[in-house]
Amino acid sequence: GQNIDQPTEMTATEGAIVQINCTYQTSGFNGLFWYQQHAGEAPTFLSYNVLDGLEEKGRFSSFLSRSKGYSYLLLKELQMKDSASYLCASLDSNYQLIWGAGTKLIIKP
Amino acid sequence: GAVVSQHPSWVICKSGTSVKIECRSLDFQATTMFWYRQFPKQSLMLMATSNEGSKATYEQGVEKDKFLINHASLTLSTLTVTSAHPEDSSFYICSARVEEKGNQPQHFGDGTRLSIL
Repeated sequence: GQNIDQPTEMTATEGAIVQINCTYQTSGFNGLFWYQQHAGEAPTFLSYNVLDGLEEKGRFSSFLSRSKGYSYLLLKELQMKDSASYLCASLDSNYQLIWGAGTKLIIKP
Repeated sequence: GAVVSQHPSWVICKSGTSVKIECRSLDFQATTMFWYRQFPKQSLMLMATSNEGSKATYEQGVEKDKFLINHASLTLSTLTVTSAHPEDSSFYICSARVEEKGNQPQHFGDGTRLSIL
């Protein structure tokens, strides 16, 4: 079956670094997305990985290992506004998105 | 680019009312749009895939007669919640992709918060 696993909740301190992990099992694979969703709002696109390795985009980086079915989102220099849910989603062979349940990130001062 | 507009953003209505939600791609054409529902503190649940010029594809467990989807043009899809009841209260979000197939990200509308009294 198709499955995306990510932690339910994480807590980190302002200014620190946090890594949110995601493992996936999908029918075929055409890439992995990370989205950010603030409470009460729609998701916004953060990153897309289809090749192995690290993609850096400002304070946010995303990593993919296709052989391990594993990705992580790395957030540096955490700010209070980074408090949100982070959704991992895998694009399967039919180009359908399979969504994880999201990781709620709580930032403490 | 790739802006998706969703309207209305908030609806409060009585039980038994039908509610229509519009989803528009403002600066691109979308042959496929997606409708999601999200209950508080839960993940996004795909309800249906809206296809321009043909019938929508509904996910298992989603009643097609309850949630009517019309993809009238390449820039507009509508979701009508017919005879809404309190259990239909939820956050409804649409999304669209620039390419029908491919690795382009889905871009989301701002969502519609539906409250049925």
